[in-house]
Amino acid sequence: QVQLQESGPGLVKPSQTLSLTCTVSGGSISSGSYYWSWIRQPAGKGLEWIGRIYTSGSTNYNPSLKSRVTISVDTSKNQFSLKLSSVTAADTAVYYCARGNYNWENAFDIWGQGTMVTVSS
Amino acid sequence: DIQMTQSPSSLSASVGDRVTITCRASQSISSYLNWYQQKPGKAPKLLIYAASSLQSGVPSRFSGSGSGTDFTLTISSLQPEDFATYYCQQSYSTSCTFGQGTKLEIK
Repeated sequence: QVQLQESGPGLVKPSQTLSLTCTVSGGSISSGSYYWSWIRQPAGKGLEWIGRIYTSGSTNYNPSLKSRVTISVDTSKNQFSLKLSSVTAADTAVYYCARGNYNWENAFDIWGQGTMVTVSS
Repeated sequence: DIQMTQSPSSLSASVGDRVTITCRASQSISSYLNWYQQKPGKAPKLLIYAASSLQSGVPSRFSGSGSGTDFTLTISSLQPEDFATYYCQQSYSTSCTFGQGTKLEIK
């Protein structure tokens, strides 16, 4: 079955760019009625959607983060990536990648295990 | 953005109880409402999609209802493994949003 795995640095300095990759295994990132998202969760708080990418390369971003976010896809590697620029301590969170399913009212049906990113000097 | 408001924010209940969690959208979202369960240190898990469709493998004691702006998640008979935090999420708009969560605790 399809699995997602996040990877990237666990510590990022303030003002720098956070970069994470999500590797899709057990299926092709290009197949089926799916899109691919990033979602984050600060410690003890709720879930915040960051953005999505379709395998066509089209993207949508959370308006509150749009100026700092870039999501890209590499279908040859079965991966998609997140870049968040000019980070501050407020960007410290667990970052999840997730698959959105068009056939299920765009619900996130598969999630990665999450990766903790701390912004600190 | 469409705002999602869950109530209550926390809830204490006992094994065997029937529990209902409510989610209200700031505007109509048709049936584009999904429910997730999250346990400490784990990723959220999809329970219900399209307001009332049960994800494969999810026990039938979980059910969802509603459309438009008002939705409910019901657990018919709480089991020990159901104590967790529950989130609703609207997927109607381009920018999806989650409710603030409902923490279900053991009484």
